[in-house]
Amino acid sequence: AQKITQTQPGMFVQEKEAVTLDCTYDTSDPSYGLFWYKQPSSGEMIFLIYQGSYDQQNATEGRYSLNFQKARKSANLVISASQLGDSAMYFCAMREAQAGTALIFGKGTTLSVSS
Amino acid sequence: GAVVSQHPSRVICKSGTSVKIECRSLDFQATTMFWYRQFPKKSLMLMATSNEGSKATYEQGVEKDKFLINHASLTLSTLTVTSAHPEDSSFYICSASNRDTSNSPLHFGNGTRLTVT
Repeated sequence: AQKITQTQPGMFVQEKEAVTLDCTYDTSDPSYGLFWYKQPSSGEMIFLIYQGSYDQQNATEGRYSLNFQKARKSANLVISASQLGDSAMYFCAMREAQAGTALIFGKGTTLSVSS
Repeated sequence: GAVVSQHPSRVICKSGTSVKIECRSLDFQATTMFWYRQFPKKSLMLMATSNEGSKATYEQGVEKDKFLINHASLTLSTLTVTSAHPEDSSFYICSASNRDTSNSPLHFGNGTRLTVT
């Protein structure tokens, strides 16, 4: 079974609008971290935001916020006031509590922002 | 802080040759590093987990004799693609964390685009 599911291969948004990128996850570990990364066409992986499984409040980082619904096992990324530079591939990822575990990634969502 | 440097960024090699990719954590010590492979417009697939001073742990389906990983120090891990074939052409990206806990993000190198002709 997939541990991280991103069901939107592509999303389109206009500048200055908000967009939500969906992510659901599956784990039996009570302690885990959820991460979102941005990958522009140049290939580098840029860390955006983190949500811990025990965090009571949704994480926010500037224009990025994470809509964490633990019971539904979802961790959607909300980007407010989209900019042209936000056009990129976005990956949701999870890291479980066991020491030394890697990030497991979803398939990604390609976001295109138009003027 | 938490910078990971990966070299080379691009490499073209002939079939049958070997290519070494270096991954360095510049401002922190990484007891664990991870190697991923990514095909165009696809997700990052974990290849192996590299632990300093011990043998790497490979994911199912990854040939350990083809993808040799050495983690010689707390700041350096290398991936050698041996006897490369065109199907090995891909984007390889390494990552490391300064803390091995679930609340620590992985920091990534900029990746190596390998083309085997």
